[in-house]
Amino acid sequence: DVKVTQSSRYLVKRTGEKVFLECVQDMDHENMFWYRQDPGLGLRLIYFSYDVKMKEKGDIPEGYSVSREKKERFSLILESASTNQTSMYLCASRTANQETQYFGPGTRLLVL
Amino acid sequence: SQKIEQNSEALNIQEGKTATLTCNYTNYSPAYLQWYRQDPGRGPVFLLLIRENEKEKRKERLKVTFDTTLKQSLFHITASQPADSATYLCALLYGGSQGNLIFGKGTKLSVKP
Repeated sequence: DVKVTQSSRYLVKRTGEKVFLECVQDMDHENMFWYRQDPGLGLRLIYFSYDVKMKEKGDIPEGYSVSREKKERFSLILESASTNQTSMYLCASRTANQETQYFGPGTRLLVL
Repeated sequence: SQKIEQNSEALNIQEGKTATLTCNYTNYSPAYLQWYRQDPGRGPVFLLLIRENEKEKRKERLKVTFDTTLKQSLFHITASQPADSATYLCALLYGGSQGNLIFGKGTKLSVKP
């Protein structure tokens, strides 16, 4: 079974803190994605990566950065957390030629 | 730009009935359309994919249709059960074969015993 894991299920941070969200997949997928999900707004794509060291901005990249040093790991970084970044963060992965996307369990982040 | 809409935020039905969820999109027809299930506090889980040249796809009690003329997909759960209660998301690919998925906001289905 494909497994996508995220480092934390729940996280509480203070405004201005640097926050790291880690995502690891165990199926050698080329493509990895970070979304945030908010009530009434649905899933929105923050960043994605089609290969190691490669990253592309999604629809809402402002305030975020990413890192993909290894194929299996895709990190989302909040350089200086703000209250409007309180959200559910979801990581996903898929192979380059496969349509199905596999999601992690999500990290619920609260920024105080 | 491509948009995808799920018209109903919530749908309440009685156990044993058929649930029908709607997904509409604008602009060009995608190569395929997907449906996911999401339980509270969890990530979405893939259920079914239907391609533009397929009219209908089935998997156990699930059925998906794809009408490129209406730019619409319908998702049916027959003989619904309380365990089917969840949010259901439709998604389509944009930006070519190496593109990204765009998701609808979801329909929350509640099946009452």
